[in-house]
Amino acid sequence: QKEVEQNSGPLSVPEGAIASLNCTYSDRGSQSFFWYRQYSGKSPELIMFIYSNGDKEDGRFTAQLNKASQYVSLLIRDSQPSDSATYLCAVRRPGGGNKLTFGTGTQLKVEL
Amino acid sequence: KAGVTQTPRYLIKTRGQQVTLSCSPISGHRSVSWYQQTPGQGLQFLFEYFSETQRNKGNFPGRFSGRQFSNSRSEMNVSTLELGDSALYLCASSPRGGPDNEQFFGPGTRLTVL
Repeated sequence: QKEVEQNSGPLSVPEGAIASLNCTYSDRGSQSFFWYRQYSGKSPELIMFIYSNGDKEDGRFTAQLNKASQYVSLLIRDSQPSDSATYLCAVRRPGGGNKLTFGTGTQLKVEL
Repeated sequence: KAGVTQTPRYLIKTRGQQVTLSCSPISGHRSVSWYQQTPGQGLQFLFEYFSETQRNKGNFPGRFSGRQFSNSRSEMNVSTLELGDSALYLCASSPRGGPDNEQFFGPGTRLTVL
């Protein structure tokens, strides 16, 4: 079982719709969870991170964490073509300092 | 506030050579982590330096090494380059440790080994 799992996609959504990206993790003791966006040929850009159960909202983005189910998701409201990118989920475990373990990413395509 | 900077942005080397990559973190950040990104393996953690000390290390051979200076700038070195070392090398900057700690990536250095 991979430590961090994401559906590779592509996930296609129409412009203006809600895109839902999911991530599961295997280590129940994981502390904090990160979502990065990566455009082709560019470096990952931090969207948001969450470390408490529940929802965290920032603009059009909402991260949802359910530690009991070992599940974290990212919702993108009012999706725009500029949101088309690969979304990487990353997990930090206790005792690992700032080491992040990444999933393989989900490719999102927002269609006009 | 300036972001994370990495130099050089692109490098072409031949097998057997060595290479040194540099990373300057965001001002005030004390932690620098290095990652390797390849199409096949994705993003993999190399090592982290915090206050000039290596705090964590990933599963990479000893040819990969790093260090951090007193001004938090970090370098990583790869000796005896192999074709499989061709990758995007990313450094990430964090202010400190702890679960509420953000981590920001630099633009990366793209290394091609011929």
